Amino acid sequence: AQRVTQPEKLLSVFKGAPVELKCNYSYSGSPELFWYVQYSRQRLQLLLRHISRESIKGFTADLNKGETSFHLKKPFAQEEDSAMYYCALRQAGTALIFGKGTTLSVSS
Amino acid sequence: EPEVTQTPSHQVTQMGQEVILRCVPISNHLYFYWYRQILGQKVEFLVSFYNNEISEKSEIFDDQFSVERPDGSNFTLKIRSTKLEDSAMYFCASRGPSYEQYFGPGTRLTVT
Repeated sequence: AQRVTQPEKLLSVFKGAPVELKCNYSYSGSPELFWYVQYSRQRLQLLLRHISRESIKGFTADLNKGETSFHLKKPFAQEEDSAMYYCALRQAGTALIFGKGTTLSVSS
Repeated sequence: EPEVTQTPSHQVTQMGQEVILRCVPISNHLYFYWYRQILGQKVEFLVSFYNNEISEKSEIFDDQFSVERPDGSNFTLKIRSTKLEDSAMYFCASRGPSYEQYFGPGTRLTVT
């Protein structure tokens, strides 16, 4: 069965520190993976899609099929990065399967 | 920038009552979705809707649930006879020709 695992509920870092939010998936086909972010009192919004291989707000994510991972990284965290981050997998249709989410807290 | 809107923001209902949650997707989008998030748990897919019919649904979306696009703008989720375990945040999303799903702010449903 398709599944997305985010092992950390909370990740606390200091401003300027590197960040890595972990995401592992299980999917039998060719996965399409996303990172969504939810800032305080705002709606879920797309941050990254693995196919586009972009860097958004300094964040990058690389799909590692061997390790079935799609970790989200940023070399230098900013306070405004504090939010809830969800890794999601698009299954065969168009629906998204989400992980439980990781709260990133960046303090000065 | 166009946004998905949802009403109400919070709905309180008694067990056994019917509720209708409303969504207005982005106007030129063709794919519509409902997700829910029980407190402390993950966001779960319920149903997708395209071309005036359900295209996918999850195991959660049983006979108690239905969706409708009654006019050109609204997209509704009806729960026929609510149960305590239906208490959750319900998110609507819509998608245009690209892959990106745009989410609404959610409706918090509390069943007492």
